[in-house]
Amino acid sequence: DAKTTQPTSMDCAEGRAANLPCNHSTISGNEYVYWYRQIHSQGPQYIIHGLKNNETNEMASLIITEDRKSSTLILPHATLRDTAVYYCIVRPNNNDMRFGAGTRLTVKP
Amino acid sequence: EAGVTQFPSHSVIEKGQTVTLRCDPISGHDNLYWYRRVMGKEIKFLLHFVKESKQDESGMPNNRFLAERTGGTYSTLKVQPAELEDSGVYFCASSQSLTTKQFFGPGTRLTVL
Repeated sequence: DAKTTQPTSMDCAEGRAANLPCNHSTISGNEYVYWYRQIHSQGPQYIIHGLKNNETNEMASLIITEDRKSSTLILPHATLRDTAVYYCIVRPNNNDMRFGAGTRLTVKP
Repeated sequence: EAGVTQFPSHSVIEKGQTVTLRCDPISGHDNLYWYRRVMGKEIKFLLHFVKESKQDESGMPNNRFLAERTGGTYSTLKVQPAELEDSGVYFCASSQSLTTKQFFGPGTRLTVL
């Protein structure tokens, strides 16, 4: 499975966009990019996923570079409740989730 | 629609005892997964059921762990006998198919003393 690299931590001001980067330079053609987050000690929560096109839903946008070697999760208007650990996961379409260390996002007032 | 539920939410047992964790997936989801996070480590995959069959149990740490999903509905994960290093949070997830997103439960926090 392709490995992902994310910054350990990031801060964001409340109301501003949070842009969380992820490198996945060894991604292969059939692997999807998934984003989950874990708020405090709750179970991981699905955010968004994509293969090669940019995706948007009610929670976030996912921008995948043309070569698919990196992606960015965008929370357009971060709130205090978005403080969490965000996981970028590269997953073949028939496989389980392989979590890394993730990025700890702190949204500050 | 109810999400993935897990029981108990917390369990404290002594080393050598037996504990059984339960997971109820979202109704209609054939795929059920177990994960765990031990203190200070990343969330790790344990195993995957498709209906009542074990599809992949490559993440099970040793033979003290036994997972079942009789009837293809809920699943149990038994640890017997429990050791100190089994302490952590055990998560269950389910998905409708292999290619769809997984929904996670709230987890069971297991403490082995």
